Amino acid sequence: EVQLVESGGGLEQPGRSLRLSCAASGFTFDDYAIHWVRQGPGKGLEWVSGIQWNSGDVGYAGSVKGRFTISRDNAKNTLYLQMNSLRAEDTAMYYCTKDINPQLLWIGEVPVAFDIWGQGTMVTVSS
Amino acid sequence: SYELTQPPSVSVSPGQTASITCSGDKLGDKYASWYQQRPGQSPVLVIYKDNKRPSGIPERFSGSNSGNTATLTISGTQAMDAADYFCQAWDINTGVFGGGTKLTVL
Repeated sequence: EVQLVESGGGLEQPGRSLRLSCAASGFTFDDYAIHWVRQGPGKGLEWVSGIQWNSGDVGYAGSVKGRFTISRDNAKNTLYLQMNSLRAEDTAMYYCTKDINPQLLWIGEVPVAFDIWGQGTMVTVSS
Repeated sequence: SYELTQPPSVSVSPGQTASITCSGDKLGDKYASWYQQRPGQSPVLVIYKDNKRPSGIPERFSGSNSGNTATLTISGTQAMDAADYFCQAWDINTGVFGGGTKLTVL
């Protein structure tokens, strides 16, 4: 069964750090880009960050650039999100999600789409 | 930054056709995807590459994308289709989602 399982969420104070993990199984992890998408309470989906299958390229939303760092360990089939300088507006459910396209280069207009989603891990930033 | 705009809500009677739009500058030059999200659940991909259905998604879901507008069409809408729907595109190493549309089936 294809599966993504997030962990590492919790309650943290503003300005502190958290590291999220996403464990993958059931597919060839190192063939696919993986992304983080978040959803604030009662709000819509917001793409946070993505990393190509070989870590050759990464992207960040403007709201997290310079504070969050995405990485992956293909030997461990695991994706990470290091979240520094946390703010109240980072409070959200964080999902990891897999690109449907294997080994897609992010050149020009590309059909990035997210076909497998985890159950999410909740991050709450509050003093 | 690139933006996608969706109507906040759409209503449809059971058995009728629901259309949900997503607007963005020259969106037709990009690829649009659509996600269904029921309360308390993770999103589910229902359309990708403008009009492709992943395996397991009913044929009543279809998509189109031209000009500045992508459209998700649900034919013969069922009560189980009531959910939030989000469009999504990719723009210069950045994912973009629309604000979401709440589909009410009544």
